[in-house]
Amino acid sequence: GAGVSQSPSNKVTEKGKDVELRCDPISGHTALYWYRQRLGQGLEFLIYFQGNSAPDKSGLPSDRFSAERTGESVSTLTIQRTQQEDSAVYLCASPRRRAGSPSEAFFGQGTRLTVV
Amino acid sequence: AQKVTQAQTEISVVEKEDVTLDCVYETRDTTYYLFWYKQPPSGELVFLIRRNSFDEQNEISGRYSWNFQKSTSSFNFTITASQVVDSAVYFCALSLYGNKLVFGAGTILRVKS
Repeated sequence: GAGVSQSPSNKVTEKGKDVELRCDPISGHTALYWYRQRLGQGLEFLIYFQGNSAPDKSGLPSDRFSAERTGESVSTLTIQRTQQEDSAVYLCASPRRRAGSPSEAFFGQGTRLTVV
Repeated sequence: AQKVTQAQTEISVVEKEDVTLDCVYETRDTTYYLFWYKQPPSGELVFLIRRNSFDEQNEISGRYSWNFQKSTSSFNFTITASQVVDSAVYFCALSLYGNKLVFGAGTILRVKS
């Protein structure tokens, strides 16, 4: 597609439920990031996928969080047993392919998750 | 580990004033990349600039300019003759080769007419 697409745009869930957030990156972009942005805060790194390499999961805050990516396309971020502290906007980004160096990342509109 | 500090939490200016947003970074690597992003009220992050550690030339793009100084580990962003549409949160970010983007906490810029 023309840009990074995330779905749903908004999600309200009850505490304790599982949620799945989806990201469709720009076609052909091999890398993909997930970030979390709490209200009024900066961007908190969650996970980074780069081609066929093992993902960098160092930012996942707990074992309730997991993410998968199918090849070089869709990624899903799953949060199990959601807590109110998980309420945030979850942003996905895919950097443009640029030989040998990190390029600018194109961000989606995000999924606003509210846990009630 | 890398770290980005944006010490200014919020800045308010009157339209047509110049404003500089500060960014200080930390890394032990000699090869790294610096970025600025804008997040307007709509929420979507917009890429502004990418600079690698070997290129210390300052850059100007219209009313925007960037001052990269390795000696002070700073990559400051200046908006000349600010406009109301410049009101947004601005993020500075750092990336090592093939690695994740580390963002600063952001600076809220409010431009009043």
